[in-house]
Amino acid sequence: AQSVSQHNHHVILSEAASLELGCNYSYGGTVNLFWYVQYPGQHLQLLLKYFSGDPLVKGIKGFEAEFIKSKFSFNLRKPSVQWSDTAEYFCAVTSSGGYQKVTFGIGTKLQVIP
Amino acid sequence: DTAVSQTPKYLVTQMGNDKSIKCEQNLGHDTMYWYKQDSKKFLKIMFSYNNKELIINETVPNRFSPKSPDKAHLNLHINSLELGDSAVYFCASSHAPGEQYFGPGTRLTVT
Repeated sequence: AQSVSQHNHHVILSEAASLELGCNYSYGGTVNLFWYVQYPGQHLQLLLKYFSGDPLVKGIKGFEAEFIKSKFSFNLRKPSVQWSDTAEYFCAVTSSGGYQKVTFGIGTKLQVIP
Repeated sequence: DTAVSQTPKYLVTQMGNDKSIKCEQNLGHDTMYWYKQDSKKFLKIMFSYNNKELIINETVPNRFSPKSPDKAHLNLHINSLELGDSAVYFCASSHAPGEQYFGPGTRLTVT
């Protein structure tokens, strides 16, 4: 069975600080990886995704993530956060192909202080 | 245009009641899902339908029954509501594995 670990449960940063949120997954086969963002009181939105190809993927709002297969990791980064980035961030994994369920991590709450 | 819509947005009801939540998507996706998000924000899949057929059925009490009249709709009916059912329920749809489009959520409060 697949699983996702997010090690940082609550991160507090000042504006303009750099961000890196950790995500590790466990699954023996080929995976698709995702980061979703949930702004306060809103639904989840896709931030970025990795299916194949370049392991460094760029998403919306200046976010990027790097897939490191040897480390089973898909960490999310942003060079300079803004107050509007305050949200809950979820890493997710699914096996490639077919009707596979998506497994979400427990989420990381990011609080950006102006 | 709303891609994935849910009604109602808020639902407050007493223990023991039966309630339904409706979901509709206009994205033309074949696959739809129901998720439960608890108070700690943990998101857990409950059901998934592909083209009106149930394909994922996680360990969910049989008081929860999904129904998909067509591939654009996936409703969730809950019988004999319990306090522990209080949560936010999200509907989602997808066209590619894992790439989900979520609805706005239904906040269910059982008193």
